Amino acid sequence: AQSVAQPEDQVKVAEGNPLTVKCTYSVSGNPYLFWYVQYPNRGLQFLLKYITGDNLVKGSYGFEAEFNKSQTSFHLKKPSALVSDSALYFCAVRDRAAGNKLTFGGGTRVLVKP
Amino acid sequence: EPEVTQTPSHQVTQMGQEVILRCVPISNHLYFYWYRQILGQKVEFLVSFYNNEISEKSEIFDDQFSVERPDGSNFTLKIRSTKLEDSAMYFCASSLGGLNTGELFFGEGSRLTVL
Repeated sequence: AQSVAQPEDQVKVAEGNPLTVKCTYSVSGNPYLFWYVQYPNRGLQFLLKYITGDNLVKGSYGFEAEFNKSQTSFHLKKPSALVSDSALYFCAVRDRAAGNKLTFGGGTRVLVKP
Repeated sequence: EPEVTQTPSHQVTQMGQEVILRCVPISNHLYFYWYRQILGQKVEFLVSFYNNEISEKSEIFDDQFSVERPDGSNFTLKIRSTKLEDSAMYFCASSLGGLNTGELFFGEGSRLTVL
């Protein structure tokens, strides 16, 4: 079975400071990993994905994430957070050995203070 | 930019009533999905649909649920006899290929409230 953990319900940072949102996963095979963001009253918007290749993945809005196989992690990072980054962030995994479904983490609410 | 659209945005229904949630996926996409998010909980997979049939479903997707792609553009989720615990935000998603090639594009959701 595949699972995702986002250990922090909420992350607060000041605008201009680095932002990190943590994600760890568990799969029986090799993972496909995704980050999505949800703004209030909106759907889930794709940020970035890791399928194969470079462990450092760059995505939308200046976000990046690093796939770490030994630590089974896929933390989301942004060097300098903006107030507009305040939203709910979801990590998701698909086990390549499993079917075509994503398993989501519980979400981390990011609050960027001016 | 192409997007997945869902209707209605919010539906209130009485327990035991049938509900149909509608989705228009991105036009050239081949894979279609329904997910749901109960308030304050995780986003959960319900069902995936490809080539006019269900390709995978979760344990949540029991006999009360069904999906259909009646006309080549709409993708619907039907709940035959709603229960209180069906209250949730339901998200439709589509993808061009399977998840080994790309990402899901989600609609903005349909909020279902069962009274």
